[in-house]
Amino acid sequence: EVQLLESGGGLVQPGGSLRLSCVASGFTFNSFAMSWVRQAPGKGLEWVSSISSSGGVNTYYADSVKGRFTISRDDSKNTLLVQMNSLRAEDTAVYYCATGYRLLGAAWGQGTLVTVSS
Amino acid sequence: DVVMTQSPLSLPVTLGQPASISCRSSQSLVYSDGNTYLNWFQQRPGQSPRRLIFKVSNRDSGVPDRFSGSGSGTDFTLEISRVEAEDVGVYYCMQGTHWPWTFGQGTKVEI
Repeated sequence: EVQLLESGGGLVQPGGSLRLSCVASGFTFNSFAMSWVRQAPGKGLEWVSSISSSGGVNTYYADSVKGRFTISRDDSKNTLLVQMNSLRAEDTAVYYCATGYRLLGAAWGQGTLVTVSS
Repeated sequence: DVVMTQSPLSLPVTLGQPASISCRSSQSLVYSDGNTYLNWFQQRPGQSPRRLIFKVSNRDSGVPDRFSGSGSGTDFTLEISRVEAEDVGVYYCMQGTHWPWTFGQGTKVEI
């Protein structure tokens, strides 16, 4: 069974940093591109970032997070990461990891809530 | 960025009756490889999104055959042939052809 389990969310002050993790199981992790998608409270879905398969040579970011977020992967640990710096109130959202990029979303995690507030 | 426009944004439905959601993109979603990367997602209340349809009309594993997707170019449709109670939720279209990927605003389906 494919599973994605996010962790690392929490309350952080504006300007602070947070690192989210997503541990994958049930599939050959290094063969899949992976993505982060977020959902602000009561709002729709917003694509955040994607990384290519097998080592993640290629990375892609939404303009809203470019220069502040860094996506990476550790294929030895079946783990997707995103380092989030210079956080803003508008980054408050549930962050989901998902498989794929063009064909995003065959599998999703349960999400982890990030709240940016003083 | 490609703008994805869904209609309606709210869809009252009757159990056992059909329902249809439209999604229009601001530019063609045909990619250079010939594929059209238009996906549909369902998000039930309090749950993570779930992909229903990929590349316009391909149903994901486990998705009931009452769900179908169609369309081409810039106009796409998700249809539910006979609505069931478990279909309540918000439905999103998403394009994966042009960076950055973009989602529609969502259509809330309620009985």
